[in-house]
Amino acid sequence: QQQVKQSPQSLIVQKGGISIINCAYENTAFDYFPWYQQFPGKGPALLIAIRPDVSEKKEGRFTISFNKSAKQFSLHIMDSQPGDSATYFCAASSNTGTASKLTFGTGTRLQVTL
Amino acid sequence: NAGVTQTPKFRVLKTGQSMTLLCAQDMNHEYMYWYRQDPGMGLRLIHYSVGEGTTAKGEVPDGYNVSRLKKQNFLLGLESAAPSQTSVYFCASSYRGSGYGYTFGSGTRLTVV
Repeated sequence: QQQVKQSPQSLIVQKGGISIINCAYENTAFDYFPWYQQFPGKGPALLIAIRPDVSEKKEGRFTISFNKSAKQFSLHIMDSQPGDSATYFCAASSNTGTASKLTFGTGTRLQVTL
Repeated sequence: NAGVTQTPKFRVLKTGQSMTLLCAQDMNHEYMYWYRQDPGMGLRLIHYSVGEGTTAKGEVPDGYNVSRLKKQNFLLGLESAAPSQTSVYFCASSYRGSGYGYTFGSGTRLTVV
């Protein structure tokens, strides 16, 4: 059972454009929604995260939009650059229970072209 | 400040062989995790630990065992490797739960032939 659904699987954006990656979740107990960025041959690295008490969080060119009622959240990369080419994973977790563990989406491979 | 170190980085095993993957962190994190990454399937949790001497099953634990004898180390064992275990394995650690962010290692690429 996939609890976090991510789309698209791959994305090609021109330099300077906006990259948008979407995720949807099922578990209403989720209360932490991070995005991870992974470059080839490397492990994922935390990019930006949001909690459901806010609808948007911005850090530089990266913005998370959160829609609690629709159980959806998205990553927007403004002014996309070739250096942003990587695989992006959304994730979600709940802090209830013995250990809060991240459930990851299936990933989006982003390619930013010149 | 190494963060999370995984060894080895690459390994080829024959079906039925055993091996141990080592994960070491120097950040004094309580929680540690083992994930596998397969094309189109994202990162799936194999086992995790909430502290020294503790382990628990994740989403895909079959065929794997783990041990956390020391706080800084988390070992993943394959007793009898199968081709279905061909994957890239990532170890991660966090201070407490996921809300503190995970720090990942650089991965171990395992091929079982």
